[in-house]
Amino acid sequence: AQTVTQSQPEMSVQEAETVTLSCTYDTSESDYYLFWYKQPPSRQMILVIRQEAYKQQNATENRFSVNFQKAAKSFSLKISDSQLGDAAMYFCASGGGADGLTFGKGTHLIIQP
Amino acid sequence: DSGVTQTPKHLITATGQRVTLRCSPRSGDLSVYWYQQSLDQGLQFLIQYYNGEERAKGNILERFSAQQFPDLHSELNLSSLELGDSALYFCASSVGGVSPLYEQYFGPGTRLTVT
Repeated sequence: AQTVTQSQPEMSVQEAETVTLSCTYDTSESDYYLFWYKQPPSRQMILVIRQEAYKQQNATENRFSVNFQKAAKSFSLKISDSQLGDAAMYFCASGGGADGLTFGKGTHLIIQP
Repeated sequence: DSGVTQTPKHLITATGQRVTLRCSPRSGDLSVYWYQQSLDQGLQFLIQYYNGEERAKGNILERFSAQQFPDLHSELNLSSLELGDSALYFCASSVGGVSPLYEQYFGPGTRLTVT
C-alpha cells in the first residue's frame, strides 16, 4: 500500500520568485516512481516531472526540479522563476507494483503578479 | 492534447441510474487506467486494463465495472448511481503494463453529476 501526503493546501508566490511544494510518501514497494502532476483550471492532468526511486540524482525539467530524500521519504517540487501560467493544483503521486498511481490531496498554487 | 479521448465531457443523471463512460487510448498504448476525482476522496485509482485483460484493481466499488475491447478502447460502467458518485472520471493510457515506468497520459475527463 502507498500513501502520499501534501501538507500545504495552498501556496502563494510572487511572479519570478521561487516556490517549493512539499510531499511525503510511504510505500512498501522496493521499486517505485514519484511524480508531480499539474492540474490547471481546465482540469487536464499534466505530468510535470518524475523521479525514479533508484536514481540518486534529482530530476530537473527546465524551471522545475525536485529534492528527493529517499531515507526521509520526501519529494518536494521547486519551481523557479514562477510564471502566471504555473498557477494550478499540483499533485504529488507515487507508483509502484500493480496499484496504479496514488495521489496526494494537492496544493493550490497561486501566482501573484 | 494528450491523445487520449473521453466521451462524453459532461453527464447529468439521476440517482439509481446507470451510465457508461468511454475512453480511447493514445495510438499504440495497450494500458488503460481509470481514476475518480471527487472533493471528498481526491484522486483515486479505480482499475487498469492491459491489452484487454484486467491488470490491477484499486478502490472500485462493486457497482462499478469496466472492460477493454479488442480495439483497446475502454468503457467504465457505473450503476445504481448515488449522489456521492458525482465526480470527474479520468482515463489514462500508457504503452506498457504494470510498471509505472511507463508514463500515463490523461484524457480530459468526464464530469458526472448525479442529482
